[in-house]
Amino acid sequence: GQNIDQPTEMTATEGAIVQINCTYQTSGFNGLFWYQQHAGEAPTFLSYNVLDGLEEKGRFSSFLSRSKGYSYLLLKELQMKDSASYLCAPRGYNKLIFGAGTRLAVHP
Amino acid sequence: ETGVTQTPRHLVMGMTNKKSLKCEQHLGHNAMYWYKQSAKKPLELMFVYSLEERVENNSVPSRFSPECPNSSHLFLHLHTLQPEDSALYLCASSQDLKNTEAFFGQGTRLTVV
Repeated sequence: GQNIDQPTEMTATEGAIVQINCTYQTSGFNGLFWYQQHAGEAPTFLSYNVLDGLEEKGRFSSFLSRSKGYSYLLLKELQMKDSASYLCAPRGYNKLIFGAGTRLAVHP
Repeated sequence: ETGVTQTPRHLVMGMTNKKSLKCEQHLGHNAMYWYKQSAKKPLELMFVYSLEERVENNSVPSRFSPECPNSSHLFLHLHTLQPEDSALYLCASSQDLKNTEAFFGQGTRLTVV
C-alpha cells in the first residue's frame, strides 16, 4: 500500500529558509516528485529525485533517502509568492500518489 | 499553460444528470490520469491510462466512467452523482508511467446539487 506523511502547515518569514519533510511507504518505487499548488490552481512540478542525495534547482532543493523512505524540500530566500501547498508524491508501480500537502505561509 | 486542457472549467449538475469532463493533451504523452481533489483532502488518484489502456482503477464508484479514445484525449463520464462528489477534478499526463513528471490541467470544479 501507500502511506505518505508530511506536516500539515508551516509558517516562515520572507527571506528565510524552510525545510518540508516527507516520509513515505510505497509498493514499487520509481522516484519522488515535489509539486507546488497555489490555492485554486493546478499542481506544478518542482523537482524529482530517483537516486539518493540532493538535487538543487535555483532556490529549491530536494533530498532523497530511499533506504529511510524520506525526502525533504528546501526553499531558500523565501518570497511571499512561495505561500502555497507543497505536495510530496512518490511514484509507485503504475501510480503517482500525492501526500496531503504542506500549507506554507510566508509572512513579511 | 501546461499543455493539458480541461473543459469545462466549472460545472454544476443535478444528481440525475449525465455529463462528461474532457481532457486533452498535445504533449505526445502516453499516460493520462484522473484525480479528485476535495476540500481539505489530498489529491486522490482515480484512474490511470497508459497507451489508451486502463491500468489502474483506484476503487472508484461506477457512477464515474472513464474513456480514453486515443492517447491525446481522456474523458470522465458522470451519472447519478452525489453531493459528496463535488470537488475539483484534475487531469494529468506524463510521458510514461516510470520516472517522468505529470503535467496537470487546470481542473474542472464540479458542484453536484
